[in-house]
Amino acid sequence: SQTIHQWPATLVQPVGSPLSLECTVEGTSNPNLYWYRQAAGRGLQLLFYSVGIGQISSEVPQNLSASRPQDRQFILSSKKLLLSDSGFYLCAWSSTGGYGYTFGSGTRLTVV
Amino acid sequence: AQSVSQHNHHVILSEAASLELGCNYSYGGTVNLFWYVQYPGQHLQLLLKYFSGDPLVKGIKGFEAEFIKSKFSFNLRKPSVQWSDTAEYFCAVNARGSSNTGKLIFGQGTTLQVKP
Repeated sequence: SQTIHQWPATLVQPVGSPLSLECTVEGTSNPNLYWYRQAAGRGLQLLFYSVGIGQISSEVPQNLSASRPQDRQFILSSKKLLLSDSGFYLCAWSSTGGYGYTFGSGTRLTVV
Repeated sequence: AQSVSQHNHHVILSEAASLELGCNYSYGGTVNLFWYVQYPGQHLQLLLKYFSGDPLVKGIKGFEAEFIKSKFSFNLRKPSVQWSDTAEYFCAVNARGSSNTGKLIFGQGTTLQVKP
C-alpha cells in the first residue's frame, strides 16, 4: 500500500536560519507531489507541485523553494526563514489525473 | 485559474441541527470536486468526492454533497450534526484533462462548532 512520510512534525527555527522539510512516498511510482501551507484563517494554499524528477512549479512568489531529487522525494527549503514563514506545511501526493490525494501528517513550523 | 470560495468561515450549531456548508468554484472546464475534514489534532481526511455521474454524492459519516453545474457549486450537507462533527471543513477542486497536473485548489475552510 502507498504511504507518505513527512518530517519533522514540529520545528522551531530562528529568523534567518535555513529550512529543510522532507517528504517521501512509498508504494507508488511517478506520483504528482505537492507542498501546501495552512495558515490560520487562510485555508490550504498550494505552494509547489511536481509532476516528475527535477520538475517544480511554483504557485506563489515567496521565500521558499522546492526540489525533487528522486522520484518519491520532495523537499521544501529556505535559505533564510522569515517570521511570515510560520505555519503548518503539508505534503501530498496523487496519481496522474488527480482522482485521489493522500496527505502527510504535516510539519508545524514556528519561526521566532 | 481555478479558485474556490467557501462562504461560511465559522458556523456554530446545536446537536441535531441540519448543516449546509457552501462551496463555489471558478473554472470554465470540467472539474473533480472534493470535501475534506480536519478534526482537531488530526490529518486531513476525505469526506466525499465527485468525478462524474449522479450529482448527489454520499460520503462518510452521513455527509452528502450536491454538484450543481449551472451554479458552479458543491455544497456539503448533513441532516443532523453531532458534537463529534466539530472540525474544519475544506472544499477543493481540480481541473480534469490530459494536461492535468492534479493541482488541488482548496477553499479557505469552514470551522464548524457543534454544541452539545
